[in-house]
Amino acid sequence: TQLLEQSPQFLSIQEGENLTVYCNSSSVFSSLQWYRQEPGEGPVLLVTVVTGGEVKKLKRLTFQFGDARKDSSLHITAAQPGDTGLYLCAGALLSSGNTGKLIFGQGTTLQVKP
Amino acid sequence: NAGVTQTPKFRILKIGQSMTLQCTQDMNHNYMYWYRQDPGMGLKLIYYSVGAGITDKGEVPNGYNVSRSTTEDFPLRLELAAPSQTSVYFCASSYSSRGRFSNQPQHFGDGTRLSIL
Repeated sequence: TQLLEQSPQFLSIQEGENLTVYCNSSSVFSSLQWYRQEPGEGPVLLVTVVTGGEVKKLKRLTFQFGDARKDSSLHITAAQPGDTGLYLCAGALLSSGNTGKLIFGQGTTLQVKP
Repeated sequence: NAGVTQTPKFRILKIGQSMTLQCTQDMNHNYMYWYRQDPGMGLKLIYYSVGAGITDKGEVPNGYNVSRSTTEDFPLRLELAAPSQTSVYFCASSYSSRGRFSNQPQHFGDGTRLSIL
C-alpha cells in the first residue's frame, strides 16, 4: 500500500492547457515537497510547503498544502513543452522528527505536446 | 559545484555477485539517503544516515548494507545480487535541521542504473 497516493500517474496534454496533480494521504505531514525529475537525472526540488492551507506560486505553477496537512496539489497554468517530466510529491511524517526522511508518491509523468 | 556524485552510472551484474554503489557529496551535509526507483513506484528509502557513524533502515533495507565512516561518503553494498534488485538507485543528501522537524530539500545524484541478470 502506498502511504502517499499521487494522481494521475500519466497525463498527456496539449500546449496551453491547464492541469492539476494531486497527492493524498490519511497521514499528517510536517511538510510536503514537490520535485521534478528529467530522464537520466535525479529529482530536483520545486517547492516546500509547511503550513496547513499554504499556497505557493512558482511562475505558472501553484502549490497548495491541505488545511489538515494530509494532502497537496500542484496546478500548472498554460502548460508548455518544457514542463514535460516526472513530478513527485514527498512528505515528511511527524514521526520522522528531524531525520529529514521523506515518503514519496508514485509520481506523475507529464507530457505536453506542442 | 559537484553536489552529489554517484558511481558507476550503469552496471550489469550476474545473480549472486556483489558490488558497492558509491556516493559522495561535497556540500558538508550531515544527512544522506539511499533510494531505489522502480517504474510507477516513486522512490523507496533503503537506508539513511544522520551523521558519520550513524545509519538506520528505511522502508526496503533487505539485501543491502551501508556504512558512513565520513561525512562525505555513503556507499551502498549489495552482497548477493538478485533479479528483484534491478532498479535505478539514487543517493541524496540534505542539510541537518536543529528544529523538531526537518523540511530541508534533498539534493540528488544522477543515479546508478543496475541490472541483475
